[in-house]
Amino acid sequence: QVQLQESGPGLVKPSETLSLTCTVSGGSISSYYWSWIRQPPGKGLEWIGYIYYSGSTNYNPSLKSRVTISVDTSKNQFSLKLSSVTAADTAVYYCASLRGENSSGWEYWYFDLWGRGTLVTVSS
Amino acid sequence: SSELTQDPAVSVALGQTVRITCQGDSLRSYYASWYQQKPGQAPVLVIYGKNNRPSGIPDRFSGSSSGNTASLTITGAQAEDEADYYCNSRDSSGNHYVVFGGGTKLTVL
Repeated sequence: QVQLQESGPGLVKPSETLSLTCTVSGGSISSYYWSWIRQPPGKGLEWIGYIYYSGSTNYNPSLKSRVTISVDTSKNQFSLKLSSVTAADTAVYYCASLRGENSSGWEYWYFDLWGRGTLVTVSS
Repeated sequence: SSELTQDPAVSVALGQTVRITCQGDSLRSYYASWYQQKPGQAPVLVIYGKNNRPSGIPDRFSGSSSGNTASLTITGAQAEDEADYYCNSRDSSGNHYVVFGGGTKLTVL
């Protein structure tokens, strides 16, 4: 079955760029949307953004100026870059697959598969 | 509004029924989906769409919606259901954003 795995540095210095990669195994990345979600310690989930395999993206407006999500279909991977990080960006970062469906005119979006998450700490 | 509001904490006696709610303007147009998260683990999808359960999710979990409120009901709560629960939906602003509720901590007594 399809599995997702995040990878990247666990420690990033303030003002630098956080970079993470999500590897999709057991299936092709060339379908659905792929997303990044984060969770600060002890807090709730925050959607960061998503990308379609074709490369089209959409970002949380609160992070849009600092976020870039890209996809590499040849490697079955998608990536997150978050620039100018501060301690407030310390969180567990999850990658997930996002599906959008429609039932009787009602649309619904859901994250059906998640990676295990990776803790990124911003500290000097 | 692009916000989804959940009660921070709810408790239920073992074997009883509990309803966890999620409120927001977007829920008048879009179904919510629900996730269970246990400590130290990634969220797991438990309900999506009108009332769909992924394979492996017990049928004691069900979903419903009315007006601007979506509900996750656990009928006959078990000790292993103690967890944080989050709702999400598409944002109603027309910008195709995703929104999450703040989460509900469920305690099974």
